[in-house]
Amino acid sequence: GAGVSQSPRYKVAKRGQDVALRCDPISGHVSLFWYQQALGQGPEFLTYFQNEAQLDKSGLPSDRFFAERPEGSVSTLKIQRTQQEDSAVYLCASSLDGGVGANVLTFGAGSRLTVL
Amino acid sequence: AQSVAQPEDQVNVAEGNPLTVKCTYSVSGNPYLFWYVQYPNRGLQFLLKYITGDNLVKGSYGFEAEFNKSQTSFHLKKPSALVSDSALYFCAVRDLHRGGGGNKLTFGTGTQLKVEL
Repeated sequence: GAGVSQSPRYKVAKRGQDVALRCDPISGHVSLFWYQQALGQGPEFLTYFQNEAQLDKSGLPSDRFFAERPEGSVSTLKIQRTQQEDSAVYLCASSLDGGVGANVLTFGAGSRLTVL
Repeated sequence: AQSVAQPEDQVNVAEGNPLTVKCTYSVSGNPYLFWYVQYPNRGLQFLLKYITGDNLVKGSYGFEAEFNKSQTSFHLKKPSALVSDSALYFCAVRDLHRGGGGNKLTFGTGTQLKVEL
């Protein structure tokens, strides 16, 4: 597609439920990033993929968070046993290069998660 | 570790006046610096970047930014603001130092720009 597509755009979950957020990056983009943006804050890095390899997951806040990109294109961010503090907008971004270039990220519109 | 500071939560400016949105950064090595803009219910959009070379970088929609190494700043500027420029602006940095931030961008907390008639 022309841009980065994320689904669902809005998700309401009860505390303790598992959720899965999907990201369709721009076709051919090597790098894929997940960020978490809490209300009134800047995006916080969660994890980074280069093709199917997860090269950096240092930003995942707990072992309840899991991300995958099995075929090097679509990625899924899974949150198990959701807590209220997980409420945020989850942003996906992709970039063409996978190396040390000045990667310009193209962001999706985000998935807004509300945990009740 | 790499970090970015945007000291102003909000900047108000009259249409037609120049605007400045401030950003300072901290890295171990040389930085790549970026500005992104976020409109309501939309993803962040790239405005401009500094890699190397000329300290004055020109970007989309008439925006520019000046890299100042001695002051570790990368302020966003526009000579004449428009009401349509009202949005949330984020500065971001990537540390090129080996063992720095890796391939990720670190964002500031954002500055809400409000341009009034």
